[in-house]
Amino acid sequence: RKEVEQDPGPFNVPEGATVAFNCTYSNSASQSFFWYRQDCRKEPKLLMSVYSSGNEDGRFTAQLNRASQYISLLIRDSKLSDSATYLCVVNPLGDYKLSFGAGTTVTVRA
Amino acid sequence: GAVVSQHPSRVICKSGTSVKIECRSLDFQATTMFWYRQFPKQSLMLMATSNEGSKATYEQGVEKDKFLINHASLTLSTLTVTSAHPEDSSFYICSAIGHSEQYFGPGTRLTVT
Repeated sequence: RKEVEQDPGPFNVPEGATVAFNCTYSNSASQSFFWYRQDCRKEPKLLMSVYSSGNEDGRFTAQLNRASQYISLLIRDSKLSDSATYLCVVNPLGDYKLSFGAGTTVTVRA
Repeated sequence: GAVVSQHPSRVICKSGTSVKIECRSLDFQATTMFWYRQFPKQSLMLMATSNEGSKATYEQGVEKDKFLINHASLTLSTLTVTSAHPEDSSFYICSAIGHSEQYFGPGTRLTVT
């Protein structure tokens, strides 16, 4: 079983729509969680950390459900520039060794 | 913010040759750097942890004699892919720990023909 699993998508949504997707992780003792964004053929960039109580950063909302071992990301009022692959990332041991999901591709169309 | 560079950004080499990739932290010192590899449409996979002044630690399944890592200074780690084969063609990304955060380099795309 993979450490982090994501629905690869793609999610094709119109501008202004809301899109949400999840990922699941296998290690129940995992300590920290993140969403990264990766544009085509580029390095991943940190979008936001995910906290137990859920957190928001502008149009992005992340939730963590430890009991079910899943993390979600919701994007409101989608922009064309939100088109990217979103990587669910877990730090199982808290030692900076990150486990990446394969990514969920989001395409926002005009 | 902190910057990590990689060189080269892309390289094409012939099967059997060796390729060296550099990872530099430009405005901070990094005692620990990581090397990841990403095949098309797959996740980044951690290959090894590069520790300044000591031997690298490799993840299970990564051949240490094939992927040589040297972290000779606090701002530079190198990954050498020895006797490269087409199956080594991939996107290699390094990261460095600085200010308690992890910063990624822009990646090196290796194509072995």
